Amino acid sequence: SQQGEEDPQALSIQEGENATMNCSYKTSINNLQWYRQNSGRGLVHLILIRSNEREKHSGRLRVTLDTSKKSSSLLITASRAADTASYFCATGSGGGADGLTFGKGTHLIIQP
Amino acid sequence: NAGVMQNPRHLVRRRGQEARLRCSPMKGHSHVYWYRQLPEEGLKFMVYLQKENIIDESGMPKERFSAEFPKEGPSILRIQQVVRGDSAAYFCASSPDRTNEKLFFGSGTQLSVL
Repeated sequence: SQQGEEDPQALSIQEGENATMNCSYKTSINNLQWYRQNSGRGLVHLILIRSNEREKHSGRLRVTLDTSKKSSSLLITASRAADTASYFCATGSGGGADGLTFGKGTHLIIQP
Repeated sequence: NAGVMQNPRHLVRRRGQEARLRCSPMKGHSHVYWYRQLPEEGLKFMVYLQKENIIDESGMPKERFSAEFPKEGPSILRIQQVVRGDSAAYFCASSPDRTNEKLFFGSGTQLSVL
């Protein structure tokens, strides 16, 4: 199965609310990254958290990592219509000798 | 500074034809990754190349698929004798080094096999 599995598969919230997406993985990692994909476009890197970090912030984004549970969460605060997109977590095992492993994504819809 | 450029954006092929997908990485990037995405799915890693070298092709199908990244020019993903199951979006990403800590993606090539 996928290394990264996002949950939920789809999420619809009102503009201004917070959106939380979760990601679980199976094997040991060096880092975990979150990407956003707008419909028909390529992925855009949002944030990276290393295996020795527990929390990281970037603007309205907050990422947590729990290596004991092999899980991560992405929180988007004060959501905007422009945040409507699919969000993917990706794990890197380090060394760069392989590509990142992506989950199936969470499709986020922000209702205006 | 132009981003990762992929062309064509859309490619239609009949079964049995060849498909050539091109990717020009960001300026200064010498590491290229190819991914395939099926509808409602995540990206599946195919191959990782550095200039003139294939570093990891563990995600490439054993037959009909090949990739190259020559010293000059774009990276090419080549699919011979395409079948309907090859229909997908193919994304290229580049990075300046081999840590894969931040990949820059192109807009993809949507391949449709009739």
